[in-house]
Amino acid sequence: SQQGEEDPQALSIQEGENATMNCSYKTSINNLQWYRQNSGRGLVHLILIRSNEREKHSGRLRVTLDTSKKSSSLLITASRAADTASYFCAKHSGYALNFGKGTSLLVTP
Amino acid sequence: EAEVAQSPRYKITEKSQAVAFWCDPISGHATLYWYRQILGQGPELLVQFQDESVVDDSQLPKDRFSAERLKGVDSTLKIQPAELGDSAMYLCASRGTSGNEQFFGPGTRLTVL
Repeated sequence: SQQGEEDPQALSIQEGENATMNCSYKTSINNLQWYRQNSGRGLVHLILIRSNEREKHSGRLRVTLDTSKKSSSLLITASRAADTASYFCAKHSGYALNFGKGTSLLVTP
Repeated sequence: EAEVAQSPRYKITEKSQAVAFWCDPISGHATLYWYRQILGQGPELLVQFQDESVVDDSQLPKDRFSAERLKGVDSTLKIQPAELGDSAMYLCASRGTSGNEQFFGPGTRLTVL
């Protein structure tokens, strides 16, 4: 079953703008991970945030986690055309990851 | 840089035929996963191995799908017979002993006609 659900399903912005995508989940987590997938390719791990963390940064990425609302957000600042991809949140549950349906991000020059 | 290898990258088959996918995880990674990703959806776990043992295959349609990792290194996922609804991307991932990050291969795109 798909545990994390991303919002919006699709997002179109211009280069230089910030992109924010959200993820909600249903049950408690140990950690939540964000992955990127370029069209027709495998997934690439971006960032992991643990349940006892509230915010984490990695380069132009900022992830927040609100366990009381069971939600997370991924912010990409100063977006580039190369950021065009699908972004998935994944809840780490037991042995494996449960992925949402993803947000499709299009960054136009 | 170490990568997860998968082959073939693309496979077209007719329904009722048998297909097999191969995965070679990053060297030293004991945990191996097979996922299926339908277009427009996120990956869904089919099976997870710890070394040569199956940890979770609850979502694997066992009437037609099988997976093995005989020596605890590379793995094969088989579908027999293939059905139209099996058309999807099949992704393999591996994880090391430290950390929770999974490393994905490029996937095998299966089209069943």
